[in-house]
Amino acid sequence: QPVLTQSPSASASLGASVKLTCTLSSGHSSYAIAWHQQQPKKGPRLLMKLNSDGSHSKGDGIPDRFSGSSSGSERYLTISSLQSEDEGDYYCQTWGTGVQVFGGGTKLTVL
Amino acid sequence: EVQLVESGGDLVKPGGSLRLSCAGSGFTFSKAWMSWVRQAPGKGLEWVGRIKSKTDGGTTDYAAPVKGRFTISRDDSKDTLDLQMNSLKTEDTAVYYCTTGTPVDYWGLGTLVTVSS
Repeated sequence: QPVLTQSPSASASLGASVKLTCTLSSGHSSYAIAWHQQQPKKGPRLLMKLNSDGSHSKGDGIPDRFSGSSSGSERYLTISSLQSEDEGDYYCQTWGTGVQVFGGGTKLTVL
Repeated sequence: EVQLVESGGDLVKPGGSLRLSCAGSGFTFSKAWMSWVRQAPGKGLEWVGRIKSKTDGGTTDYAAPVKGRFTISRDDSKDTLDLQMNSLKTEDTAVYYCTTGTPVDYWGLGTLVTVSS
């Protein structure tokens, strides 16, 4: 089954851009993923579904500041024009036959 | 607007049982593949299990840590999803989220299950 690896933390300044990475395990580079955001003290929400070719579809009401891209076994989430409310945890998710998997999450701090 | 409302979370002793429920609205419940995802205090997200729609077979899959102890069921006449949890362990302590889709499209607000003596 696939395994997803994320850096534990990231930080960027207000108004800047940040690129978060989710890496698929060997043999699973063609898998699509989903990115989810969890703001402090809140439940998660879907940001987007991201395919291996970089095409993506966003969740309800997700602003254009959030975009996704892919390269090989890596899936990226780029957040531009960072705002204070973007601070929180970001999780990637994928799925296989009879199983779903989450990455360990990246804690984003907006400076 | 899609809404998922979980209920049933409680404090239970190790070895005990608990049943969670989730009421769905704003979408065609009978067509949805539904999952439970949990989050232990201060930890990341962990998939618990999934049930397919009845038209897709209605079968269930579970994560290894809960297989044989947890059972997911659905009542499409009431638009509800249940999670029966038996032989609970302290490591099952978590907020349990009801979700739609594979991957997850929508999340509920969660219900807290605490397993402690």
